[in-house]
Amino acid sequence: NAGVTQTPKFQVLKTGQSMTLQCAQDMNHEYMSWYRQDPGMGLRLIHYSVGAGITDQGEVPNGYNVSRSTTEDFPLRLLSAAPSQTSVYFCATEGRRGTEAFFGQGTRLTVV
Amino acid sequence: GEDVEQSLFLSVREGDSSVINCTYTDSSSTYLYWYKQEPGAGLQLLTYIFSNMDMKQDQRLTVLLNKKDKHLSLRIADTQTGDSAIYFCAETPYTGRRALTFGSGTRLQVQP
Repeated sequence: NAGVTQTPKFQVLKTGQSMTLQCAQDMNHEYMSWYRQDPGMGLRLIHYSVGAGITDQGEVPNGYNVSRSTTEDFPLRLLSAAPSQTSVYFCATEGRRGTEAFFGQGTRLTVV
Repeated sequence: GEDVEQSLFLSVREGDSSVINCTYTDSSSTYLYWYKQEPGAGLQLLTYIFSNMDMKQDQRLTVLLNKKDKHLSLRIADTQTGDSAIYFCAETPYTGRRALTFGSGTRLQVQP
């Protein structure tokens, strides 16, 4: 049982490049979300999904796109990377509201 | 919107008790969480409490909630060097948009 798997673990991009951060879960959870973590700050919600085919914006959605074609996968796309997107990105899943949110190990992204 | 605040740093000696504090602003019924993050790792849920509770105890961990002051604390008894980490307070409302709002984290340093 892998839980929440994020790939890659590390990535360096040049400004203007695009890439997709992958997130997969095997817990059959409907709710999935993406957060970014910056130094000295807590995690901030980028986008979330309450089920396949349904996504919505979080606190800091600009510069990111998401889709949810299956229950298991919730990829995060950076269309044109900017240095301000240098951060650690965490994917999370949650069962019923108020139960534990399971986090992936994170993707450390550097944009130069 | 919701806001969660924490002090940034706490240093204790091994064997002492640690108390990490958090304040939040959400006035609705809410779940309140404590997460632990070790270096280079994702977030691990330690415990959570619903806003209609005053206290929750789980082995060495005690959560106290003062609803009037919207103040949450995490007490770690007999603190060990393995408890050194960043501790995040987070909340999510009982209804409405389902998203975790995190504090900026408290770095706990345990000295031998």
